[in-house]
Amino acid sequence: GAGVSQSPRYKVAKRGQDVALRCDPISGHVSLFWYQQALGQGPEFLTYFQNEAQLDKSGLPSDRFFAERPEGSVSTLKIQRTQQEDSAVYLCASSRTGGSGGYTFGSGTRLTVV
Amino acid sequence: RKEVEQDPGPFNVPEGATVAFNCTYSNSASQSFFWYRQDCRKEPKLLMSVYSSGNEDGRFTAQLNRASQYISLLIRDSKLSDSATYLCAVTHGSSNTGKLIFGQGTTLQVKP
Repeated sequence: GAGVSQSPRYKVAKRGQDVALRCDPISGHVSLFWYQQALGQGPEFLTYFQNEAQLDKSGLPSDRFFAERPEGSVSTLKIQRTQQEDSAVYLCASSRTGGSGGYTFGSGTRLTVV
Repeated sequence: RKEVEQDPGPFNVPEGATVAFNCTYSNSASQSFFWYRQDCRKEPKLLMSVYSSGNEDGRFTAQLNRASQYISLLIRDSKLSDSATYLCAVTHGSSNTGKLIFGQGTTLQVKP
């Protein structure tokens, strides 16, 4: 597709449930980023992939959060045993190279944990 | 103290006004700087990169002051459609991965 695609667009999970969020980056983009955006805040970095390699996961808030990009294209962010504080918009972004250019975000997945 | 700080506003201005936002960053090793625009319940979209010499794109002018570690965005002749949240973003230190640290965002509301 022409842009970064994320699914689902909205997700409501019961506390304790596991969720999986998907990101389809722009074709050919090497770098892929996951961000978490709480209401009224800027996006907070979670993790970064260069192709299939997860080079930086310093932003993942706990070991309940796990991300993968096994074939260097589609990425999945998994949250186990969701908590209410996990409620946020999860944004995926991709760029052609790591570099220093700005990148394109997907529309995000709005996760609400009840 | 956050690594990137912005005044959240809101800034309420009349149409046609000139408005400026500042953003300060704490890591002197940061090398790349950006302004993003985010509409309500939408994803951030890159508005412009910020270069050391300053740069202009139509009604928008971005400036970088490395000595004082801040970047600014000036909007001239503001339009109703400029109403949005403006996020500044800087690369994390000297990282060449493209990892960005965002400010909280500044909300602009342009009134008729």
